[in-house]
Amino acid sequence: QKEVEQNSGPLSVPEGAIASLNCTYSDRGSQSFFWYRQYSGKSPELIMSIYSNGDKEDGRFTAQLNKASQYVSLLIRDSQPSDSATYLCAVNMGSGGGADGLTFGKGTHLIIQP
Amino acid sequence: NAGVMQNPRHLVRRRGQEARLRCSPMKGHSHVYWYRQLPEEGLKFMVYLQKENIIDESGMPKERFSAEFPKEGPSILRIQQVVRGDSAAYFCASSFQGRADTQYFGPGTRLTVL
Repeated sequence: QKEVEQNSGPLSVPEGAIASLNCTYSDRGSQSFFWYRQYSGKSPELIMSIYSNGDKEDGRFTAQLNKASQYVSLLIRDSQPSDSATYLCAVNMGSGGGADGLTFGKGTHLIIQP
Repeated sequence: NAGVMQNPRHLVRRRGQEARLRCSPMKGHSHVYWYRQLPEEGLKFMVYLQKENIIDESGMPKERFSAEFPKEGPSILRIQQVVRGDSAAYFCASSFQGRADTQYFGPGTRLTVL
């Protein structure tokens, strides 16, 4: 079964520090990778997409992809209390049933301590 | 508002009734996806549609659930004879292109079955 794994947390990080979130996926044929943020009771909000190996930076966020290790990460620099949320890793699997949709991890609950 | 729109935002049904959830994709998007998020669970892909076509319904329960995306009007997820286990948040997402493209989520419909 194709899976996306995340540490559920909670991950507690002091304000101003770097938060590091990790994700592994099972399908080597996966094509695209996304990080979403979800506040309690709200819908997922796109933070980053990444398609090729390496780093991609957008403001305080950096996504890192290593397809050989089947590993995706998200770094949040200068963490703010407003970053406290659940972070969802989502992967578009390469083939098979459900490949047209995203496979989500269960999310990492991040807490930024003021 | 050019974002993904869903209605109703909250829906209460008694067991055995029908639930109809509506989704209008982001302007310019023709690809629609439905996801379900059960309490304390991750987001699960249900179905992927384009105008007048169901492309991938591998995540849809075999009975009582159906989806459509007519030529005119919103996409509809229909749940017949609802049961308490159907209580969940149902999210719609849309993308400009299919499969690996970025998906943007609507605010969701919270379904409660009494």
